[in-house]
Amino acid sequence: DQQVKQNSPSLSVQEGRISILNCDYTNSMFDYFLWYKKYPAEGPTFLISISSIKDKNEDGRFTVFLNKSAKHLSLHIVPSQPGDSAVYFCAASIDNYGQNFVFGPGTRLSVLP
Amino acid sequence: DTGVSQNPRHKITKRGQNVTFRCDPISEHNRLYWYRQTLGQGPEFLTYFQNEAQLEKSRLLSDRFSAERPKGSFSTLEIQRTEQGDSAMYLCASSFLGQGTYEQYFGPGTRLTVT
Repeated sequence: DQQVKQNSPSLSVQEGRISILNCDYTNSMFDYFLWYKKYPAEGPTFLISISSIKDKNEDGRFTVFLNKSAKHLSLHIVPSQPGDSAVYFCAASIDNYGQNFVFGPGTRLSVLP
Repeated sequence: DTGVSQNPRHKITKRGQNVTFRCDPISEHNRLYWYRQTLGQGPEFLTYFQNEAQLEKSRLLSDRFSAERPKGSFSTLEIQRTEQGDSAMYLCASSFLGQGTYEQYFGPGTRLTVT
């Protein structure tokens, strides 16, 4: 029973265009969400987070949107760059003390030059 | 400090053998986590420590798995009587409770192959 779902295993985008990665969750108790990026042979790297009291958080080229009623969040990358090619994981936690993150299965993003 | 380090990076063992992995967190971090990741899946939480106390263990963590964090610094994860199903990437992460944000910083992982 996957509590955090990323239904697109892979996504290809042209350099300079927008990348949109989606994440759905089933547990309404989740109130803190994060995105991690993972390159091969490295551990996941924190990218951006959002608390359930917000619906948007922005950091440079990265913006995360949260729709609590739909139990859906998305990560927008604008403009996409070839260095953004990686696996992106969505993670959720019941409280923002980060005691126990539940990760989705990941989406592999390929940014084509 | 260059981040979270894990040793060894790769381990190949025969079924039934015991293995031990080490994690050195970022020095000022008081929380340390262990995750397991299999192909095509995200990291799955196994256990976490706050300082030297092990505060939570996942039901995924069978009694063949044991973790310690003596003195609240580095941590070890031991798997006894390994099984082929234990083959996975074992990730360690650390964080600092109290900074206001709680993102976890991951190490590069130890890849275990049980033959």
